[in-house]
Amino acid sequence: QKEVEQNSGPLSVPEGAIASLNCTYSDRGSQSFFWYRQYSGKSPELIMSIYSNGDKEDGRFTAQLNKASQYVSLLIRDSQPSDSATYLCAAYSSNTGKLIFGQGTTLQVKP
Amino acid sequence: DAGVIQSPRHEVTEMGQEVTLRCKPISGHNSLFWYRQTMMRGLELLIYFNNNVPIDDSGMPEDRFSAKMPNASFSTLKIQPSEPRDSAVYFCASSLRRSGSAGELFFGEGSRLTVL
Repeated sequence: QKEVEQNSGPLSVPEGAIASLNCTYSDRGSQSFFWYRQYSGKSPELIMSIYSNGDKEDGRFTAQLNKASQYVSLLIRDSQPSDSATYLCAAYSSNTGKLIFGQGTTLQVKP
Repeated sequence: DAGVIQSPRHEVTEMGQEVTLRCKPISGHNSLFWYRQTMMRGLELLIYFNNNVPIDDSGMPEDRFSAKMPNASFSTLKIQPSEPRDSAVYFCASSLRRSGSAGELFFGEGSRLTVL
């Protein structure tokens, strides 16, 4: 079992729709969770972090965390073609000091 | 700030040659990470340093790989001898390790390695 799992996609949504990206993790010692966006041929960039159960909103992005279910999600409202990228979920454990990434989900937003 | 700087951006070499990748982290950051990205395996953590000290190198594939951080502003990842299966994009990332933010990494642009 991979430590952080994501559906590789591609996830295709029309412009203006809500994109929902999901992630599960296996290490219950993980305390902090992150979403990185990676455009093709570029490096990952941090877009959201979440540390406690519940929702965290930042503009069009909402991160959700459920530690009991070991589940993290990212919602993108009013999706734009510029949101088309690969979204990487990552889990950090202070026990190991490691930030482990999932395989990433490719999102395609069609005009 | 200039961000994380990696060199070279592209490297093409032949099997058996030594490869050295270089990284300059963001000034003031105290953690440095080396990742490798391939289509098959995604983004894999190879090694990370805190305050220039290697903390965990369990992700280093084998003895052909080595990494050093002689000071706070420079790190190298060396592959000797290189093999075709080492072909990948190698990312260096840095962060300011403090409570709650250790996972907030800033990535360099990556070094694309092709071993023929």
